[in-house]
Amino acid sequence: GQQVMQIPQYQHVQEGEDFTTYCNSSTTLSNIQWYKQRPGGHPVFLIQLVKSGEVKKQKRLTFQFGEAKKNSSLHITATQTTDVGTYFCANAGGTSYGKLTFGQGTILTVHP
Amino acid sequence: DTEVTQTPKHLVMGMTNKKSLKCEQHMGHRAMYWYKQKAKKPPELMFVYSYEKLSINESVPSRFSPECPNSSLLNLHLHALQPEDSALYLCASSQEAGRWIYGYTFGSGTRLTVV
Repeated sequence: GQQVMQIPQYQHVQEGEDFTTYCNSSTTLSNIQWYKQRPGGHPVFLIQLVKSGEVKKQKRLTFQFGEAKKNSSLHITATQTTDVGTYFCANAGGTSYGKLTFGQGTILTVHP
Repeated sequence: DTEVTQTPKHLVMGMTNKKSLKCEQHMGHRAMYWYKQKAKKPPELMFVYSYEKLSINESVPSRFSPECPNSSLLNLHLHALQPEDSALYLCASSQEAGRWIYGYTFGSGTRLTVV
């Protein structure tokens, strides 16, 4: 997969506030996947985006893929303590090998 | 069964020891992966197996030796490790290398400490 830059590295919010993490690439991406890793846990697949301008929603989570397919975002509305964890974007390579390359991740802390 | 099972969950080994990590999936996935993850860092790819053949080795030191005995099993043999090899080792699988519409399924990992 291609390198993706993810910001911010850390985000502290009060419960009920919104949260957004961003991923950017210097080159066009064929796809973006998003994963969540709870503290002490393992990455869990959330969603994949492949189309330009694609927007997908899962309850309070909204995922977007940019028109140029060079950026993506994950937005959580009204965070809850269960949202705590690290959110990774990742790109699965365009070769037949399926190499998955992760962004640096955003560590989300939610204060009750 | 929609899980990837890794054993052991924790492992402490000396630098002269030989140990093995095991990974098993019964989802019919034909691609399996080993990742290494340090604290507060993203997982880093080590090896990719596609249809039981090694297709990617990300320049991993030879003290790590992967093995894929069949389509459901993946092992990582460890020998003469260094303390800096201490990390969470994650196994993952996907439908095929190059097909990931349902994402990658990760196991819960083996937390390795080298002393």
